[in-house]
Amino acid sequence: DAGVIQSPRHEVTEMGQEVTLRCKPISGHDYLFWYRQTMMRGLELLIYFNNNVPIDDSGMPEDRFSAKMPNASFSTLKIQPSEPRDSAVYFCASSWGQGLEQYFGPGTRLTVT
Amino acid sequence: KQEVTQIPAALSVPEGENLVLNCSFTDSAIYNLQWFRQDPGKGLTSLLLIQSSQREQTSGRLNASLDKSSGRSTLYIAASQPGDSATYLCAVKGNDYKLSFGAGTTVTVRA
Repeated sequence: DAGVIQSPRHEVTEMGQEVTLRCKPISGHDYLFWYRQTMMRGLELLIYFNNNVPIDDSGMPEDRFSAKMPNASFSTLKIQPSEPRDSAVYFCASSWGQGLEQYFGPGTRLTVT
Repeated sequence: KQEVTQIPAALSVPEGENLVLNCSFTDSAIYNLQWFRQDPGKGLTSLLLIQSSQREQTSGRLNASLDKSSGRSTLYIAASQPGDSATYLCAVKGNDYKLSFGAGTTVTVRA
């Protein structure tokens, strides 16, 4: 298996622009997670899905952030409008069931200038 | 809210020495605990997963223990190698099924 795939790997954008991050989970996994990693706050869970349905989005920082999972093999995290404080590495992870390991993608490094 | 602490924040050892990494958590009502490795600029690689009913897990040179009642886990890496240099993260899954991460321990193994 190719593992969790994220695109783009790097994104540089200007403040106010819309940013869309993409994730393809491991085939057969029924849970998908979006995390954000910064030096100041470490790794934080933003939202997670089970069978394509959002279960907990309490970690989403503001209404500027939205996430979708239209099917079992694709998810997006959108930031509109982006701000410099959104600069971070965004990780997608997937797992089979709640009790098993989460597998992380390589991350998308976002820089908002 | 679950708080996860990892001490020390950084560790430097000569090659061949055993590594001991500590993780503590405030809420003992956990579902499981997972240790990850993160190389610079990379994603997280899962090393070991310990279910709440287990006391330890082993994989090769790695051994992780869990003491739920005292809110502690320890990751042991035997006979360290320069390739073990990385940041090691501890993550606790609560009964809400959400992972709470520690800040990590950055390990340098000197050749």
